[in-house]
Amino acid sequence: DIQMTQSPSSLSASVGDRVTITCRASQSIDIYLNWYQQKPGKAPKLLIYAASSLQSGVPSRFSGSGSGTDFTLTISSLQPEDFATYYCQQTYSTPPDTFGRGTKLEIK
Amino acid sequence: QVQLQESGPGLVKPSETLSLTCTVSGGSISSYCWSWIRQPPGKGLEWIGYFDYSGTSKYNPSLKSRVTISVDTSKNQFSLKVTSVTAADTAVYYCARGGYNWSYGGLDYWGQGTLVTVSS
Repeated sequence: DIQMTQSPSSLSASVGDRVTITCRASQSIDIYLNWYQQKPGKAPKLLIYAASSLQSGVPSRFSGSGSGTDFTLTISSLQPEDFATYYCQQTYSTPPDTFGRGTKLEIK
Repeated sequence: QVQLQESGPGLVKPSETLSLTCTVSGGSISSYCWSWIRQPPGKGLEWIGYFDYSGTSKYNPSLKSRVTISVDTSKNQFSLKVTSVTAADTAVYYCARGGYNWSYGGLDYWGQGTLVTVSS
């Protein structure tokens, strides 16, 4: 099975900061990597698919990059509504479809 | 606008079968891929399985022997059954839509989620 290692597990930042979250696959997954945002009590929301494609309606301050085994989600200028938990998901090798363990982004 | 809604019992006894239904509105279930995901309280996301418009179904190996996903195109619904449940199956269960091709596109529409508690 492909293992997804997401880091950091938690992160404190301030409004306006640039933030980067990383996801590393245990083997190459090409570009089949998605990013989600989840707020407490809510369903996850798709932000980025295929490593770098911005989902419709998602603000342009969110961006994704990477291919193969190393991927990043970047928020260029944190807004108050961005404080949430972020998950990566690989869809290269199914089953199983593997989610990362999540990164909780908190207000500093 | 595509909408998904989970329904089913919120409490299931140990060793019994958990059954949930996802009703899709605003789009046909006869295209795209459709999936179940769960999240134990305070923990991360766990993919359960999916099916696509061609009839292909795939399941998480850790659950495969206990899980079945079925579809009722006449009602635009798909369902999840998990047999022989234990407390470890207590979670919020989500249904979601994937792309035309499972590998490409991500899960773009989600239900609100339903909490299922396994307890006697």
